[in-house]
Amino acid sequence: DAGVIQSPRHEVTEMGQEVTLRCKPISGHNSLFWYRQTMMRGLELLIYFNNNVPIDDSGMPEDRFSAKMPNASFSTLKIQPSEPRDSAVYFCASSPPSNEQFFGPGTRLTVL
Amino acid sequence: QQPVQSPQAVILREGEDAVINCSSSKALYSVHWYRQKHGEAPVFLMILLKGGEQKGHEKISASFNEKKQQSSLYLTASQLSYSGTYFCGTDSGGGADGLTFGKGTHLIIQP
Repeated sequence: DAGVIQSPRHEVTEMGQEVTLRCKPISGHNSLFWYRQTMMRGLELLIYFNNNVPIDDSGMPEDRFSAKMPNASFSTLKIQPSEPRDSAVYFCASSPPSNEQFFGPGTRLTVL
Repeated sequence: QQPVQSPQAVILREGEDAVINCSSSKALYSVHWYRQKHGEAPVFLMILLKGGEQKGHEKISASFNEKKQQSSLYLTASQLSYSGTYFCGTDSGGGADGLTFGKGTHLIIQP
């Protein structure tokens, strides 16, 4: 079975540009999570969806961040405008109703 | 609030045992354990649920003390492949919620 798929794997952009990260969860999983990992702050939850509905976005840093899940097989995380402090590895994870979360390979974002 | 993991780092010889602890200030519904190798994604190891149910890796065991809001991960007869950073993630919301992760425990296994 294919695991969680994320694209792109690496993104380098300049400050002020829009960045869109994409995620395809494992088929049959009904929950999807976006996490961010940095050396300073560790692994942080940004937002999660249950059955395509956003449940908790309290971890989203500010209005520059937005996430959508238009259907059960696709989600996006958008940063507009991007800033250097947004540089991090962004992970998408999905889980079945039994709760264990499976992480995608991550997108390494560098904002110059 | 972020759970506290201890120790921060461990160096072992192959074949030795290790215990990693995770403590929360909030009542917990579940505790999840993950291992992450450098440059890779976290990999699911085990989930421990309120009420005693456990699911996960055959060769790894863990405990969950609901009253003390603590969990421990037991690595026995460690192998070189066990090296990595171990994270506990806690869920206080009742299931299917996002996790709050600890800062991680770095484990190095030497031959």
